[in-house]
Order: sequence, then C-alpha cells, then structure tokens
Amino acid sequence: DTEVTQTPKHLVMGMTNKKSLKCEQHMGHRAMYWYKQKAKKPPELMFVYSYEKLSINESVPSRFSPECPNSSLLNLHLHALQPEDSALYLCASSPRGHGYGNEQFFGPGTRLTVL
Amino acid sequence: KNQVEQSPQSLIILEGKNCTLQCNYTVSPFSNLRWYKQDTGRGPVSLTIMTFSENTKSNGRYTATLDADTKQSSLHITASQLSDSASYICVVSETDSSYKLIFGSGTRLLVRP
Repeated sequence: DTEVTQTPKHLVMGMTNKKSLKCEQHMGHRAMYWYKQKAKKPPELMFVYSYEKLSINESVPSRFSPECPNSSLLNLHLHALQPEDSALYLCASSPRGHGYGNEQFFGPGTRLTVL
Repeated sequence: KNQVEQSPQSLIILEGKNCTLQCNYTVSPFSNLRWYKQDTGRGPVSLTIMTFSENTKSNGRYTATLDADTKQSSLHITASQLSDSASYICVVSETDSSYKLIFGSGTRLLVRP
C-alpha cells in the first residue's frame, strides 16, 4: 500500500456538532501531518506527529484536537467549529520522523463545510 | 523572510502545446525543491524533487530544472493533455532538518481542447 487515505471525502457539520476526520497510511512512515487549505491558497500546516507523539502545534485553536492512536492512524477531532473553518483538510505522511526533512505524501483531503 | 513565488498565477494553453511554469525562492539554507500537481479539491501529488546538486529531473512529460545560484526553478510540460489541468505548486524545504515546507501560491493551468 503506497498511499495516504482520508475519510470522509466530504463532511458538512453544524457549529455545535462533534465530528472526526480520519487519516491512514500503511507505508511505515513515522511522521504524519495535518494541513488546512482554503480555496486558491497553499496548504497551512496545523499539526505534526512524529513517532506517534505530537511534536508541532502551529498555534491551532483548541476546537481542533489531533490524535494518533497508532503509527498508521491520525485523527482530527472537531468541536464547535466556525464557518471560517470550512476548508480542505489534508493529511500527509513522511518516512522519517520530525526533524528530518523528507518528502511528504499527501492524502486526497476531506472537504469540510461548517454551517 | 523565506518565500516562494510562482508565475504566472494562471495559464491557458491548447491541448498538445508545451508550457513552462516558473518558481523563484528566497529560502536559505536550501535543502530541496519539489513540484506538486494538485487537482481541484484533491491532495497534492509529487511530480519531482530536486536537491541542491541536481539541475534537471524528468517524470514523463514533466521536466523540472533548478538553478541553485539564481534560486530559480521551472517546470516544463510537454505535449499537454486535458488531464494536465490543475494547480502546480512549487515547495521548498529550508534545511534537511526542517519539517516545514514553504509553499508557493501555485500556477493554475487550464488545458483546452
């Protein structure tokens, strides 16, 4: 398996809902990332997990809560989001852990709409 | 400030024609430069990755060049196809120890029949 998968592909939620985004890779990669991408803008880094531990939080609001249950899975828990949080959420993974610049492989993304 | 700038912002070409996209960067120290293709609403897909010592790298109809002295890169697409319509993003890594990628704003390419 040589890809990063993300579910769901699309998600519509209200501001009071709690939902989760899921990312999975089976390439044995040791670092996983969450990005947020608004239309016609480059991706913005949110979180980095290295060896299943949170190593970077780019000052992301607490309504976004990441979780790495094991080396293959990365979740992003969403609660009390705002309409401006609507975006494409991308997951990526890289072979080596944080601190080693190496190629990141991106998933297809989850298109999130907050009503 | 580390920046990556791409030109043009958008480009329309006819199917079968060639085109060249440009990327200028001010990132230092430089580790590597990547070109990604991103279809609308999808994740970026890597086309090429080049380190300081590499001048050119090809991937099928895509050929990337790198001039580390002038801090410029280009992506040349040969014999364009309708499926080449996408955003092409230039991404630079600061050093080999950096997790952070510095993204350009992309060039939106539209290939028309």
